[in-house]
Amino acid sequence: KQEVTQIPAALSVPEGENLVLNCSFTDSAIYNLQWFRQDPGKGLTSLLLIQSSQREQTSGRLNASLDKSSGRSTLYIAASQPGDSATYLCAVRDGGSQGNLIFGKGTKLSVKP
Amino acid sequence: DGGITQSPKYLFRKEGQNVTLSCEQNLNHDAMYWYRQDPGQGLRLIYYSQIVNDFQKGDIAEGYSVSREKKESFPLTVTSAQKNPTAFYLCASSDRDRAYGYTFGSGTRLTVV
Repeated sequence: KQEVTQIPAALSVPEGENLVLNCSFTDSAIYNLQWFRQDPGKGLTSLLLIQSSQREQTSGRLNASLDKSSGRSTLYIAASQPGDSATYLCAVRDGGSQGNLIFGKGTKLSVKP
Repeated sequence: DGGITQSPKYLFRKEGQNVTLSCEQNLNHDAMYWYRQDPGQGLRLIYYSQIVNDFQKGDIAEGYSVSREKKESFPLTVTSAQKNPTAFYLCASSDRDRAYGYTFGSGTRLTVV
């Protein structure tokens, strides 16, 4: 059964730092991997979607990489800002017959001014 | 703008009551999903539907029911059999093509009073 793990569970950094969030998954048979952002009490906002055949995707200050064979993805945030404070969730679209999205528990990021 | 609308934003349930959470999408997506989110846990799949008039149980379907009579709508009923319904409920949709990502609604917070 696919399992997704995110490390660390929480992270606090000063404004301006570059940072990396980690995501690992146990079964490399995936369709894609999606990074989301969740603000307190809100829904999920999709940040980046990486297909299984891709190595990375970029959007503004965000860069996500995917190493399917080792079951790892990283989300790199450049020049962090207080507005980046949120919980970041990693999810893989499982390669099984149902193809459902399976989530990690998230990394809670706090960027201090 | 295309998106997913969940209502109400907050819902209070008395012991022994059934309550229904609404989810509507105008993205023309075939598949729709219901997730439950509890503090410290990842998102857990309750039910999903890949086509109208068909749906499948997820990992935690006990105490819940759904219907899919229209492509745009996927309501979730939390029945009195669900012993611990207090949680944040998220609805999502996706295209049938598994290369596409998921889009989420803004969530409904259900509290037992």
